[in-house]
Order: sequence, then structure tokens, then C-alpha cells
Amino acid sequence: ETGVTQSPTHLIKTRGQQVTLRCSSQSGHNTVSWYQQALGQGPQFIFQYYREEENGRGNFPPRFSGLQFPNYSSELNVNALELDDSALYLCASSRIERTGFYEQFFGPGTRLTVL
Amino acid sequence: SQQGEEDPQALSIQEGENATMNCSYKTSINNLQWYRQNSGRGLVHLILIRSNEREKHSGRLRVTLDTSKKSSSLLITASRAADTASYFCATDNYGQNFVFGPGTRLSVLP
Repeated sequence: ETGVTQSPTHLIKTRGQQVTLRCSSQSGHNTVSWYQQALGQGPQFIFQYYREEENGRGNFPPRFSGLQFPNYSSELNVNALELDDSALYLCASSRIERTGFYEQFFGPGTRLTVL
Repeated sequence: SQQGEEDPQALSIQEGENATMNCSYKTSINNLQWYRQNSGRGLVHLILIRSNEREKHSGRLRVTLDTSKKSSSLLITASRAADTASYFCATDNYGQNFVFGPGTRLSVLP
């Protein structure tokens, strides 16, 4: 158990809809990252939030957006869902140190299916 | 494109044998980490090796890093059926984001 939780576990949406996924970070962590993992692939970095501000973004369109709250929980929002958005969405929390070295602790993921 | 590339894509061994997986990457890194994933669930952190380290051990795991060749290897000794999973390497470019490879699917047969 990493202490990182995600909700919901599974979700089914239709094309064009909007979805919000939630993540609760591990205690003491100030950074959360979101990843998309298609079936049979490695996780792809979506974005990272550090102290409530976006701190890096991967190659994902603006319809993927996020929030980090003062208690370091986080949301991933996806608008105008497309079939290719079907994937496992993983959040990972970490604590960035001045040395720059840190470990990411992953939640169990949310399986999103877009029909 | 993903920076880390694991090799082989799939590996099948008998219980008790050693399993070796390799990872290659393209640009300079701060550190490299190995993760395990069971059946499409969350990733479990296995080991982190810093760019100034060459070898690291954790239980039955041994990781090496060769920054001149931009490659790393993960050795699992005396494998068990419970080691069956997908294994990913992830490179860290100073905390901005992790770049994962496509993974190696390891099957350990009883």
C-alpha cells in the first residue's frame, strides 16, 4: 500500500462527455503527477502539479486539465472525451527535495472506458 | 516518443532462474527508476539509481547503470511465480516528469 488513493476505480463514459478523476496524495507529499497508460503500453506523462501550480506538461491537448488542492489532493479533468482516451489513469505523489531526487508513489489507477 | 526502451518485450522463465531486463534511454538523466506492475494496476516502486551510481542492490534485485551507454539493467535472482508482472524503467530529468518505456512482461512458470 502506497497511501495514494484514486477514485473511481472504473468509469464508463460516452464520446463527447466530460470526466473528473480524483487522487488523494500520500501524507507529506507536495507533488502529484498524472499519467495515461493505454493497454500494453507504458505510462505517458500528462502533467505535474507542485504546490497547486502546474509544473510540467506532456504532449496532451488542453482538454486535459488538472487541479491540486491545498491538502495536496488532485483532480484530472478531461473534456470532449474521445475513444482513444480509454486507458488506465494513474496518479503519483512525491515530495520534491532540493537535491531533485525523489520517488513517485502510484495509486491503483482509474480504468476509463469511452464508448 | 518514449525515452526508455525495455528489452526484451516479453520474457518467460522457470521458477528459480534469474531474469534480466534491459533499459536504454536517449538523453542525460538525473536518476533512473524501475517499477513493477501487476495486471494493469498501479505501479510499485522497486529501486532508484542515481546518475552517479553504477550498481545498486535491494533484496533479490540488482540494478546497474551505465551512463556512457545510456543503459540500465534489472536482474531478479531466484525468481518466483509472484514475480510475474510487467517491469518498467523510468528516467527522471530533474523532476519535471518521468518518461517510461513500454515495459518487459515477465512470466515466471512454476
